[in-house]
Amino acid sequence: AQKITQTQPGMFVQEKEAVTLDCTYDTSDQSYGLFWYKQPSSGEMIFLIYQGSYDEQNATEGRYSLNFQKARKSANLVISASQLGDSAMYFCAGEDSNYQLIWGAGTKLIIKP
Amino acid sequence: KAGVTQTPRYLIKTRGQQVTLSCSPISGHRSVSWYQQTPGQGLQFLFEYFSETQRNKGNFPGRFSGRQFSNSRSEMNVSTLELGDSALYLCASSPFSLASSYNEQFFGPGTRLTVL
Repeated sequence: AQKITQTQPGMFVQEKEAVTLDCTYDTSDQSYGLFWYKQPSSGEMIFLIYQGSYDEQNATEGRYSLNFQKARKSANLVISASQLGDSAMYFCAGEDSNYQLIWGAGTKLIIKP
Repeated sequence: KAGVTQTPRYLIKTRGQQVTLSCSPISGHRSVSWYQQTPGQGLQFLFEYFSETQRNKGNFPGRFSGRQFSNSRSEMNVSTLELGDSALYLCASSPFSLASSYNEQFFGPGTRLTVL
């Protein structure tokens, strides 16, 4: 069965530092997508960034970028210049062959002032 | 443009009762998906509706059902509630069916259901 692994249950990072959140997709599919979402304490899931397995370039969206390693099927999220408002749960999700999203357990990120 | 709205935001029910949750997608979006989020199981896909038809279904018992109306609004129903149904239920909308590559979903704030 397909599975998303996020190895970091929680992280503390000093404000203004960069942070990397891990995500690996255990799938036999060669064509897939990986999504990152942020969930603040309010509960709403906020889409951050997407990487397709056939995309040539690593995805970037403002302060968010992905370090995509195709051979490992991993797409680690890099947040540059972290801010207090970045404190939240971060979820990685992989798109399976039925276009359903398989979700990781999440990483709780706390930015320290 | 208004985001995805879900009502009610909070709900308390007792075992054996049934509940209906509502989701209004972003205007123009035709796909609505439902997810259950619990501390133990994490986020799990329930089902997707597109153009009033269920397109995809996760691994949940038949007590969980849904429907979509012609204006794309969707309802989710859970019958014979169990304690384990306590969860945050999230609704997400997309312009197109999830069965198309790269389909960003926009989530609502969720309905927190507590079953006593």
